[in-house]
Amino acid sequence: GESVGLHLPTLSVQEGDNSIINCAYSNSASDYFIWYKQESGKGPQFIIDIRSNMDKRQGQRVTVLLNKTVKHLSLQIAATQPGDSAVYFCADNAGGTSYGKLTFGQGTILTVHP
Amino acid sequence: GAGVSQSPRYKVAKRGQDVALRCDPISGHVSLFWYQQALGQGPEFLTYFQNEAQLDKSGLPSDRFFAERPEGSVSTLKIQRTQQEDSAVYLCASSLELDRGREQYFGPGTRLTVT
Repeated sequence: GESVGLHLPTLSVQEGDNSIINCAYSNSASDYFIWYKQESGKGPQFIIDIRSNMDKRQGQRVTVLLNKTVKHLSLQIAATQPGDSAVYFCADNAGGTSYGKLTFGQGTILTVHP
Repeated sequence: GAGVSQSPRYKVAKRGQDVALRCDPISGHVSLFWYQQALGQGPEFLTYFQNEAQLDKSGLPSDRFFAERPEGSVSTLKIQRTQQEDSAVYLCASSLELDRGREQYFGPGTRLTVT
């Protein structure tokens, strides 16, 4: 049968390393961006968000970088832990008639080895 | 406090049956969203409520899909005459959203399997 891993980019790191997960978005009108973590059998869990008037925002062990020129978003996780293993999704919102609607990227599988 | 809850967690339906999926948002959250997540993909937007008003239903795949939130709290997503392509995880999210661009908090989802 099909495996989820065949369709999603994967990133494999050692515990304690820093991880960088990348995301490209297509809508130049998007002005709000958000990262979610999704573990198997669970709903997406909010990690961090950023508005288009910023290019960097830091949280606890996580940093989001936004490059509007090339429509690129990245999530940096410092000192990655086995509990960080999950699928990570970026999402964006463009406002206007799409008020509230999030458009999700395809996701990246992060595997952290002890 | 309690997060978003959804029921049932799992639903198996025979093709042609109607199903109803329930979402209890976080108390006090104004906005409620439904998403559909196929295996190996990111969630896709279905519909959005602000209180009891359905402001956007552009993502509903067909007229077999219907959502309501009559009292501005609990919401139900109904799928009539289910088809195999409806098999997916249905996620509900809520947001405080006093202004646009607030984070959405997701429930665990209902996994629908149509046989």
